[in-house]
Amino acid sequence: DQQVKQNSPSLSVQEGRISILNCDYTNSMFDYFLWYKKYPAEGPTFLISISSIKDKNEDGRFTVFLNKSAKHLSLHIVPSQPGDSAVYFCAASEGLTGGGNKLTFGTGTQLKVEL
Amino acid sequence: DSGVTQTPKHLITATGQRVTLRCSPRSGDLSVYWYQQSLDQGLQFLIQYYNGEERAKGNILERFSAQQFPDLHSELNLSSLELGDSALYFCASSVRWGAGNTIYFGEGSWLTVV
Repeated sequence: DQQVKQNSPSLSVQEGRISILNCDYTNSMFDYFLWYKKYPAEGPTFLISISSIKDKNEDGRFTVFLNKSAKHLSLHIVPSQPGDSAVYFCAASEGLTGGGNKLTFGTGTQLKVEL
Repeated sequence: DSGVTQTPKHLITATGQRVTLRCSPRSGDLSVYWYQQSLDQGLQFLIQYYNGEERAKGNILERFSAQQFPDLHSELNLSSLELGDSALYFCASSVRWGAGNTIYFGEGSWLTVV
């Protein structure tokens, strides 16, 4: 059962335009969401996060939007740059008994920013 | 560079063997995590330690075990290896143990079982 879903395996955007990456989740206990970027042969790199008490968080060119009622979040990158080309993973966590911190990842979206 | 160090970067071993993957967390981080990334399963949480104690457990096989030492480094032991254990194993760390703490990943250890 895939609790975090990224339904678009790939996305192609022109340099300077907006990239919108989407993520849906099914577990209503998730209360913290993160986006990671991953280049080949490297580990995931943290980009931005959002708590369930917010509906928007912005950091430079990156903005994450959370729609709790729809169990949907999205990552906006404006303007997109060629260096943004990578695989983007959505991840979610819930407050666990015992205080653990387990991330459940989506399957990733390959973003390609073209010149 | 996330500051999380993993060794070895690449490892090839035969079925039935045992290997140990090592991880040093970022300076100041007390919590260590292990994740497995395989082609068909994506990134899967295995286990979390905080200051030497196990905090959360995922779908970690009984053939796998981990521990976090007093100097906070961690080791993941994989035994009786099978072809299906071939994957990229990531270590990650965070300052504290609870949900909501940002987790930083190392570059991974590629394990190939032949």
